[in-house]
Amino acid sequence: AQKVTQAQTEISVVEKEDVTLDCVYETRDTTYYLFWYKQPPSGELVFLIRRNSFDEQNEISGRYSWNFQKSTSSFNFTITASQVVDSAVYFCALNGAGSYQLTFGKGTKLSVIP
Amino acid sequence: EAGVTQSPTHLIKTRGQQATLRCSPISGHTSVYWYQQALGLGLQFLLWYDEGEERNRGNFPPRFSGRQFPNYSSELNVNALELEDSALYLCASSPSSGRVRQETQYFGPGTRLLVL
Repeated sequence: AQKVTQAQTEISVVEKEDVTLDCVYETRDTTYYLFWYKQPPSGELVFLIRRNSFDEQNEISGRYSWNFQKSTSSFNFTITASQVVDSAVYFCALNGAGSYQLTFGKGTKLSVIP
Repeated sequence: EAGVTQSPTHLIKTRGQQATLRCSPISGHTSVYWYQQALGLGLQFLLWYDEGEERNRGNFPPRFSGRQFPNYSSELNVNALELEDSALYLCASSPSSGRVRQETQYFGPGTRLLVL
């Protein structure tokens, strides 16, 4: 069985602060894919990143960065210099080799206060 | 390029009625997925269609059904609506999963279903 845990239910930060969203996953598959999605108040899930289990290289995209550590089964997401537009619910998701559907965490609601 | 589209945006029904939700995938995508996002339950996988066939379904009763048309658009039907079916229903699409697994799924804006 697959499982994704996002222990932080809600986080509030002041604009320009850095914030890290945690994601811990469980899977028995040796090949799997991890994702982060952003859900603004409008409801649509916006794809942010996809990472496969063989690629532990960290990735940076503008103010966003992701830290994948297989040893701790974690795939954390950091927003640098947060902005009000970053306010949303962020979901971490897992897709194992044996399935095609995504297993989502419960999400972390991020509020960036001006 | 147009993203995944869903209609209607909002739907209000009463208990016992049937609801039909529609989804058009990104052009060139043949796989369509349906997810339910109910308050307090998170995002749960409902159904997956690929090349016109139902490939997998989540842990939902048979009154949740659907189909995929030759143009790869999809319809989700919920029969005998219950109050707990009130949720945001999200559709996602990806390129054919028959050849490459774990393609990224791109989501539509969702349909908010309210059952009274």
